[in-house]
Amino acid sequence: SAVISQKPSRDICQRGTSLTIQCQVDSQVTMMFWYRQQPGQSLTLIATANQGSEATYESGFVIDKFPISRPNLTFSTLTVSNMSPEDSSIYLCSVSRVGEKLFFGSGTQLSVL
Amino acid sequence: KNEVEQSPQNLTAQEGEFITINCSYSVGISALHWLQQHPGGGIVSLFMLSSGKKKHGRLIATINIQEKHSSLHITASHPRDSAVYICAVGRSGNEKLTFGTGTRLTIIP
Repeated sequence: SAVISQKPSRDICQRGTSLTIQCQVDSQVTMMFWYRQQPGQSLTLIATANQGSEATYESGFVIDKFPISRPNLTFSTLTVSNMSPEDSSIYLCSVSRVGEKLFFGSGTQLSVL
Repeated sequence: KNEVEQSPQNLTAQEGEFITINCSYSVGISALHWLQQHPGGGIVSLFMLSSGKKKHGRLIATINIQEKHSSLHITASHPRDSAVYICAVGRSGNEKLTFGTGTRLTIIP
């Protein structure tokens, strides 16, 4: 199993600022996933973060807007840059291992004014 | 057409009723996951299936690989079962997941 500590749990930010979300896992994992969940929608994958290499971004998401760090096998950050109200969402990190259940952080509820 | 379709989108039932949520997918998969999301955003993994059937307490999940279909059943439903239930599939050879749009379940006392 894996326990993921995600913070902050929620934040209210001003337009044009940036917010960094952190996820700490209690065991080493190769891949970490960052998701966005817009109001009333399901989860959309932003990027996959591998230790020691640049993150792989999905279509519609770019590094300048969502820079990701993965300095070791237990930690990752996602930054939401130059925020606008359209970035108001829940952001979640997740880990999985082949053949195992999924594990999610508790989510970061972001509101941009 | 989405690769993962869930039905119904919303379901309201009385406490004690037997609940069924369905998930159909159109791609080859290595595993199918059922997730539960409570208000506030936290997501809990209920089941991971690659074949057959699994049971945990009042929850039962089944999958039919040939028909590309899975069901989540809740027996003796309770108001604390009220949540959004999400089906997600892992594609063969790929750790990335594709998510259904979720089923919002409300159990009335």
